[in-house]
Amino acid sequence: SAVISQKPSRDICQRGTSLTIQCQVDSQVTMMFWYRQQPGQSLTLIATANQGSEATYESGFVIDKFPISRPNLTFSTLTVSNMSPEDSSIYLCSVEARQGPSYEQYFGPGTRLTVT
Amino acid sequence: RKEVEQDPGPFNVPEGATVAFNCTYSNSASQSFFWYRQDCRKEPKLLMSVYSSGNEDGRFTAQLNRASQYISLLIRDSKLSDSATYLCVVTLTDSWGKLQFGAGTQVVVTP
Repeated sequence: SAVISQKPSRDICQRGTSLTIQCQVDSQVTMMFWYRQQPGQSLTLIATANQGSEATYESGFVIDKFPISRPNLTFSTLTVSNMSPEDSSIYLCSVEARQGPSYEQYFGPGTRLTVT
Repeated sequence: RKEVEQDPGPFNVPEGATVAFNCTYSNSASQSFFWYRQDCRKEPKLLMSVYSSGNEDGRFTAQLNRASQYISLLIRDSKLSDSATYLCVVTLTDSWGKLQFGAGTQVVVTP
């Protein structure tokens, strides 16, 4: 299994500012992902963080708003730029790691963001 | 139409009873299926994968019906600790990669 930590665990930010969320994994993983879970809703994939290349964004998400870094196989950051109250959400990092003969996906504890 | 749909519940279940619920998916090309569990204010955790032949893990049984495009989860002998939101998850690819989540089914087990 993989152990994932995220920083910060929560934050309250003013609109127009930016917040960078860090995700650290205890082992090297190829696939890392960033999800968003808005209040009362399910998880939505924002992007796949690729090591050594640009992130791959899902429909509705753009690099200017959610720049992502992946400098190595154990670390990634997601920045929420020029925040508005609509960005209030839980942001979760996840990784795909080998578990025996198959792969399993593990989630970090999440970052709870409130934009005022 | 959502890719993955679930009855949000809540399903109120007496302790020791059995509860079952389904999840439908819209893309017939979906290849992998899972149930995740999410406790309040916590991250999702994998409960079990769902295989074509159906599979069981202790008190939990998962079934896949490709013809009707749904998966199910059955919990026997419910425990208070089973209270959670159960997320149905599908993926189009063999590797887990991009997961598509349902909105979740809330289960509340009562004494």
